[in-house]
Amino acid sequence: DVKVTQSSRYLVKRTGEKVFLECVQDMDHENMFWYRQDPGLGLRLIYFSYDVKMKEKGDIPEGYSVSREKKERFSLILESASTNQTSMYLCASSTPGLPTPLRRQYFGPGTRLTVT
Amino acid sequence: AQTVTQSQPEMSVQEAETVTLSCTYDTSESDYYLFWYKQPPSRQMILVIRQEAYKQQNATENRFSVNFQKAAKSFSLKISDSQLGDAAMYFCACEGIDSWGKLQFGAGTQVVVTP
Repeated sequence: DVKVTQSSRYLVKRTGEKVFLECVQDMDHENMFWYRQDPGLGLRLIYFSYDVKMKEKGDIPEGYSVSREKKERFSLILESASTNQTSMYLCASSTPGLPTPLRRQYFGPGTRLTVT
Repeated sequence: AQTVTQSQPEMSVQEAETVTLSCTYDTSESDYYLFWYKQPPSRQMILVIRQEAYKQQNATENRFSVNFQKAAKSFSLKISDSQLGDAAMYFCACEGIDSWGKLQFGAGTQVVVTP
């Protein structure tokens, strides 16, 4: 089974702190994604990466950065956490170009971040 | 680019009954994929069903089936013989063929199953 793990289930940080959210996948997937989940808004894409050291902005990149130094690891960084970044963060991974029966993203369990 | 709309914030269904969740989408891509994901209280996202847009036949997975109306850009999910374990948030999502695997999600529909 594919496994996507995230470093924390719950995290509490103070305003202004630098926050690292780590995601690791064990299936050699090229693509990795960071989403933010808020009630009534669904999941929104923050950043994605299609290869090591390659990254692209998603729909809501402001206030975030990412790092992908190794294929299996994709980090989301909040340079200076703010209260409006309190949310659920979900990491996902996938292999591009697969036929329909295999096409999907695999998700981690999520990190609920509270910024006080 | 894609947009996905789920207009039902919550749906309630009795055990053994059927419930249908609606989803409409818009996309500028020539081909695309549609998905339904389920998120139970554990928060783990689970793939329920997927469909490629060029296939006319509606996808089915056990008690889950879709009604895909391409012209209307509609992709509804039907849950038959509902079980308590079906209680979850359900998200509709769209992936464009040229979008690097990125998913555009709807806002979600909370399904409540009553005994």
